[in-house]
Amino acid sequence: QVLLRESGPGLVQPSQTLSLTCFVSGDSMRSSDDYWGWIRQHPGRGLEWIGYIYYSGSVFYNPSLKSRVTISVDTSKNQFSLKLTSVTAADTAIYYCARDSSSWLRFDSWGQGLLVSVSS
Amino acid sequence: QSVLTQPPSVSGTPGQTVTISCSGSSSNIGGNPVNWYQQLPGTAPKLLIYNNNERPSRVPDRFSASKSGTSASLAISGLQFEDEADYYCAAWDDSLNGSFGGGTKLTVL
Repeated sequence: QVLLRESGPGLVQPSQTLSLTCFVSGDSMRSSDDYWGWIRQHPGRGLEWIGYIYYSGSVFYNPSLKSRVTISVDTSKNQFSLKLTSVTAADTAIYYCARDSSSWLRFDSWGQGLLVSVSS
Repeated sequence: QSVLTQPPSVSGTPGQTVTISCSGSSSNIGGNPVNWYQQLPGTAPKLLIYNNNERPSRVPDRFSASKSGTSASLAISGLQFEDEADYYCAAWDDSLNGSFGGGTKLTVL
């Protein structure tokens, strides 16, 4: 059973960089054909796909966030990370990491989510 | 603004069947698999349906889904109070973007 857990600061100052890490257990990122993604949910709102990374490093980003997003992977530590630059209050959301077993938005395992607030 | 359109809310009474629609276009639902997620209050979403109409083994067969053209639908039969949740459709868009519907809140009366 694969488990994912998000980690990072719960509070980020405006204009700074949001940095989160997703720790993966129960599945080797190096040997799987899975995609590893980040999804966010603004308070009381729907889900927004942020992007994917494949273990080889291939990435896909939401076009609306592409200029500010970087997703990277460290297969030796079985983890992947999200960086979102120049944050504003509009980036306040619950951030989820998840495994996509198909690359077609089939997220079959999710982290519990991490609320990140952008505020001074 | 989501490219996949869902009704904001639906409701039903225990035992009834409810359906939730998801409307898209040829660049997403029309050409790619549709997945459905259930999000219970205060929890992370869970995969409910994948590849248009397939259920993970843990999901009861009361949940079913279909796709036709650029639209998809989720049906929940034998409605139970525990089904009260938000439901999201999702499909890859050929513009290289993952798309979720806006979500539908199911209320069991």
